[in-house]
Amino acid sequence: DTEVTQTPKHLVMGMTNKKSLKCEQHMGHRAMYWYKQKAKKPPELMFVYSYEKLSINESVPSRFSPECPNSSLLNLHLHALQPEDSALYLCASSQVGVGDTQYFGPGTRLTVL
Amino acid sequence: GDSVTQMEGPVTLSEEACLTINCTYTATGYPSLFWYVQYPGEGLQLLLKATKADDKGSNKGFEATYRKETTSFHLEKGSVQVSDSAVYFCALRGSGNTGKLIFGQGTTLQVKP
Repeated sequence: DTEVTQTPKHLVMGMTNKKSLKCEQHMGHRAMYWYKQKAKKPPELMFVYSYEKLSINESVPSRFSPECPNSSLLNLHLHALQPEDSALYLCASSQVGVGDTQYFGPGTRLTVL
Repeated sequence: GDSVTQMEGPVTLSEEACLTINCTYTATGYPSLFWYVQYPGEGLQLLLKATKADDKGSNKGFEATYRKETTSFHLEKGSVQVSDSAVYFCALRGSGNTGKLIFGQGTTLQVKP
């Protein structure tokens, strides 16, 4: 089973709202990732968690706040977003190790009004 | 730094035609190489991978060989189908243990009946 699930599938929010994206995997992976993908572009890495600790933050604005409550779950808390933050947000997971494959979820399509 | 260059698309083919999507990379050490496919409205799916020189990855009729001498990982398929229409991303994961995937810009493939 190589499934990563993400909820919700679609999200529309105003600039003053607070919302959260959720990601879950049951493959025993100990690394989890958030990516942002704009239309017709490759995914851009935002955050990496390794053994439930934040290991990489790619200079993401503080209006995006990640959280890894346990080894299977990854959240992305959103607050005071801008319209340019509208994108597909992808979660991925992998084993921790050189060359290990990242498996992606279906993504959350976020629209900020 | 590490980088991936893919041929620009879109690539338009008739059903049963041969496909080659070129991918070259720049990296220090011994990266792992991947092809991901993204169907419209979906997340990324791993198509195939190779972790060392001369390895051949294959899946669903697609193949790619890790060529260290030419720093290439070209994607090939002998006979494409309409259902292969998607965006294809070449990616590398460096030999450092950051977990970061470096993506090419993506190549859109459209297969016409």
